[in-house]
Amino acid sequence: EAQVTQNPRYLITVTGKKLTVTCSQNMNHEYMSWYRQDPGLGLRQIYYSMNVEVTDKGDVPEGYKVSRKEKRNFPLILESPSPNQTSLYFCASSLINRYNSPLHFGNGTRLTVT
Amino acid sequence: SQQGEEDPQALSIQEGENATMNCSYKTSINNLQWYRQNSGRGLVHLILIRSNEREKHSGRLRVTLDTSKKSSSLLITASRAADTASYFCATDDNNNDMRFGAGTRLTVKP
Repeated sequence: EAQVTQNPRYLITVTGKKLTVTCSQNMNHEYMSWYRQDPGLGLRQIYYSMNVEVTDKGDVPEGYKVSRKEKRNFPLILESPSPNQTSLYFCASSLINRYNSPLHFGNGTRLTVT
Repeated sequence: SQQGEEDPQALSIQEGENATMNCSYKTSINNLQWYRQNSGRGLVHLILIRSNEREKHSGRLRVTLDTSKKSSSLLITASRAADTASYFCATDDNNNDMRFGAGTRLTVKP
């Protein structure tokens, strides 16, 4: 089944403890992206990647890192999480020709930083 | 920054009625997409309309695009309780990133 898989689904952590949220897609998509969703603010893009070894900042990249060593994986790294990073996170992917291609989303990771 | 802005923020209707949601955006786009999100879950793609298209249909969904007004509308006809969800528009501009609005929360009462 074609899908975007995020893990974990829920994560509670403490300020400053490094964490990684994994994202994997099995559709051979070139484009992958991370969003955070907060009440009243919709989805805001954190980072995106057009292909392997190519990553770019989105609208809210501060406090986050990403890597794209393989086409299928696009992990999101929080080196030193803070409470303002408590949010619902989504990974998404699509074919590079987004003129015709929609985004496929994972089921989300709800992160709480205390 | 957000590109699309949905209107209204919330909409409550009775089953069987039509629901119309609007989206406005600011810059030129390649395409505009509508997505649906059930509470706390991932977004699901509904329909994509290209900048050179004016109207598109998919089942009970009808999307229009007016590039001169930088706006789009999503019409759901004969709504069902299962249509209760949040609906987002997303624009694909020339910067190769997707921008989402804050969404319209639709409630369909049985």
